[in-house]
Amino acid sequence: DAKTTQPPSMDCAEGRAANLPCNHSTISGNEYVYWYRQIHSQGPQYIIHGLKNNETNEMASLIITEDRKSSTLILPHATLRDTAVYYCILRSGATNKLIFGTGTLLAVQP
Amino acid sequence: GAVVSQHPSRVICKSGTSVKIECRSLDFQATTMFWYRQFPKQSLMLMATSNEGSKATYEQGVEKDKFLINHASLTLSTLTVTSAHPEDSSFYICSARATSGGSYNSPLHFGNGTRLTVT
Repeated sequence: DAKTTQPPSMDCAEGRAANLPCNHSTISGNEYVYWYRQIHSQGPQYIIHGLKNNETNEMASLIITEDRKSSTLILPHATLRDTAVYYCILRSGATNKLIFGTGTLLAVQP
Repeated sequence: GAVVSQHPSRVICKSGTSVKIECRSLDFQATTMFWYRQFPKQSLMLMATSNEGSKATYEQGVEKDKFLINHASLTLSTLTVTSAHPEDSSFYICSARATSGGSYNSPLHFGNGTRLTVT
């Protein structure tokens, strides 16, 4: 699976939108972009995934650029409970594996 | 939604003993489950892929004789840490994806992990 690059940390004010970027310039055509988050001492929680179209669910929105080389996860109204490490992961149809990078530690400030 | 349960959530054992960790898919069947290990302030590292009815596939550098994996049913995989040592102390996490009705791009779901401390 191709690698992703994320900033190590970000801050966001409570109630504001959190925009978490991810670069995946070597993504291949059959690779999906997945986002998970991990709150301290818990297992990762699935957030959203997409191939090339923008996606939205009850947790977040995923914006994928037209060339698919980068994406942004948007939490529309961050709360203190959204403080976590957010992982952007590429996953191909050839394997079920998820290979985690270092992620972004999002700290939501009151 | 899909729920993956791990047991125990925490375990403390003495050096040289073996510890078994269970991973269950509660409301779906999983042909394949994955085992990860996470050290403090680090990311998750994939250890092995557990396949129902066949041998597990281990990632490079993971000792298969030390980390025994059994996947005897479509809802249960176990990881046994044999002859545990303090350096095996870590957070062990499993994940699974629904076998039937799920496309290949359906998400993996994770358990809440097992904190192993070897004294």
